[in-house]
Amino acid sequence: QTVVTQEPSLTVSPGGTVTLTCASSTGAVTSGFYPNWFQQKPGQAPTSLIYSTSKKHPRTPARFSGSLLGDKAALTLSGVQPEDEAEYYCLLYYGGALLPYVFGTGTKVTVL
Amino acid sequence: EVQLVQSGAEVKKPGESLRISCYGSGYTFTSYWISWVRQMPGKGLEWMGRINPSDSYTNYSPSFQGHVTISADKSISTAYLQWSGLKASDTAMYYCARHDGVDMDVWGKGTTVTVSS
Repeated sequence: QTVVTQEPSLTVSPGGTVTLTCASSTGAVTSGFYPNWFQQKPGQAPTSLIYSTSKKHPRTPARFSGSLLGDKAALTLSGVQPEDEAEYYCLLYYGGALLPYVFGTGTKVTVL
Repeated sequence: EVQLVQSGAEVKKPGESLRISCYGSGYTFTSYWISWVRQMPGKGLEWMGRINPSDSYTNYSPSFQGHVTISADKSISTAYLQWSGLKASDTAMYYCARHDGVDMDVWGKGTTVTVSS
């Protein structure tokens, strides 16, 4: 069974920088997995931040950026704001008909 | 404005049937897939399955295959998720999301399903 693993929790100071990662149990994450990143605040639906590794939506704040870091996908928050405290999920695309999409386990980011 | 509007919260008993809906507006409904995502209380996101509204082609996660059915009515721009025999373990929030295959860009606000005797 394919598992996509993220850090369970990270803490960052306001104005600081934090990097979240997304690893696949099948091996290295490449651009061919089209990594997506989502933010979910308590009681709200997820919202899309990043798609296809590093592409942003018009509404995505500039302080969010996506990349590949070694054999993982990564989401970097620079100049963190208090409102960035949330749960973050990655999504990887494996293709095929059996299980094309797998969400990561999620990272709780605390701004302290 | 592109929106996915989901049906309201449901409270059901074990064994009952249920269909929840997801209405797409502000875009061409048949140009994007719709996926369904489960979030159990206090847990993470799980991809359940998807449908291509243009031809109703569906994929299911092995974890949900046989327990739910995904369908769509393109004439009214609506996708559905249905159960024929609910279990207490189906208690969760269910989200629909549209995507073009690689970008899951718009999500519904979610439908809470509670299954309890």
